[in-house]
Amino acid sequence: DAGVTQSPTHLIKTRGQQVTLRCSPKSGHDTVSWYQQALGQGPQFIFQYYEEEERQRGNFPDRFSGHQFPNYSSELNVNALLLGDSALYLCASSLLGQRGNTEAFFGQGTRLTVV
Amino acid sequence: AQSVTQLGSHVSVSEGALVLLRCNYSSSVPPYLFWYVQYPNQGLQLLLKYTSAATLVKGINGFEAEFKKSETSFHLTKPSAHMSDAAEYFCAVSDRDSSYKLIFGSGTRLLVRP
Repeated sequence: DAGVTQSPTHLIKTRGQQVTLRCSPKSGHDTVSWYQQALGQGPQFIFQYYEEEERQRGNFPDRFSGHQFPNYSSELNVNALLLGDSALYLCASSLLGQRGNTEAFFGQGTRLTVV
Repeated sequence: AQSVTQLGSHVSVSEGALVLLRCNYSSSVPPYLFWYVQYPNQGLQLLLKYTSAATLVKGINGFEAEFKKSETSFHLTKPSAHMSDAAEYFCAVSDRDSSYKLIFGSGTRLLVRP
């Protein structure tokens, strides 16, 4: 079991550019959540995808969008990058239907640096 | 709204000493509570979770946490620190209706002195 895999591991982008980050969930999982972890802070929930739909969303602007594919993998897109978007982006997968009892498994993250 | 407060951004202990990392939560519904550990340049690994069963929860690597509703606390402890325990620790809360949306504290960095 490969667990949750994210790509790329590191990325450098210029202000104003767009970026796409990718996540493959743990085998058997059907839900993907994305978190932003700024340096020295705890992760903040961006959104969650289930059945290819955005199920929940945190307090992030519309520049942050996502997608889930039929194989449950997911993409996070960020448009018009700002310096403040520099962070570690974490993907977590889980299995919906166990009403909060299923733990979320996290990937190692993508380190995005905006210059 | 739910929130988590971790007291102490840095905690330093000697190897073999007791580890105590503090977490207080706020929740309008019975919470699900979690402790995660993050090693440098890595993702988060679940240490333990409270899901309304036993109030004393045992996790991996010798860690445990006690849910105290009256104190709205979920402190993490380990009787004897190892050098390998040096890492960042995050407390998180989730509510039953928002399964899998985790709200994290700001983290506590544990330093272990030889």
